[in-house]
Amino acid sequence: DAGVIQSPRHEVTEMGQEVTLRCKPISGHDYLFWYRQTMMRGLELLIYFNNNVPIDDSGMPEDRFSAKMPNASFSTLKIQPSEPRDSAVYFCASRRSSGKETQYFGPGTRLLVL
Amino acid sequence: KQEVTQIPAALSVPEGENLVLNCSFTDSAIYNLQWFRQDPGKGLTSLLLIQSSQREQTSGRLNASLDKSSGRSTLYIAASQPGDSATYLCAVEETSGSRLTFGEGTQLTVNP
Repeated sequence: DAGVIQSPRHEVTEMGQEVTLRCKPISGHDYLFWYRQTMMRGLELLIYFNNNVPIDDSGMPEDRFSAKMPNASFSTLKIQPSEPRDSAVYFCASRRSSGKETQYFGPGTRLLVL
Repeated sequence: KQEVTQIPAALSVPEGENLVLNCSFTDSAIYNLQWFRQDPGKGLTSLLLIQSSQREQTSGRLNASLDKSSGRSTLYIAASQPGDSATYLCAVEETSGSRLTFGEGTQLTVNP
């Protein structure tokens, strides 16, 4: 299996621009998670989906952030408009339903907002 | 709100040493506890997962223990090697299928 796939791996943009991050979970996994990692705040959960339905979005920092999962094999995290404080590494992870399964993380997208 | 703390924040040891990383959590009503490894510029890799009903899990040179009542877990690494150098993260899952709450991590350096 190819593992969790994220794109792009690096993104540099200017403040005010729209940013879209993409994730393809592992086939057969029905949970998908979006995390953000910064030096100041560590690794934080932003939102997660179960069977393509958002379950908990309490970690989404504000209305500028939105996430979608139109089907079982694709999810997006969008920031509009982007701000310098959004600079971070964004990880996508997926797992199966079984409670004994761990989460499998993608390589992350390193975002820099100038 | 669940809080996870890891001590120490950084650790440097000579190759061959046995070492212990510590993790504590504030709410003992957890579903499982997991240890991950993160290499610089990479994603997280799962090392061990301990269900709340278990006391420990072992994988090769790694052994993780869980004391749910006291809100503590330790990760024991035997005969450390330079390749073990990475950041180690502890995370708790409170109910099945729910969010993971992560600690800040312990940055380990094993010197040849």
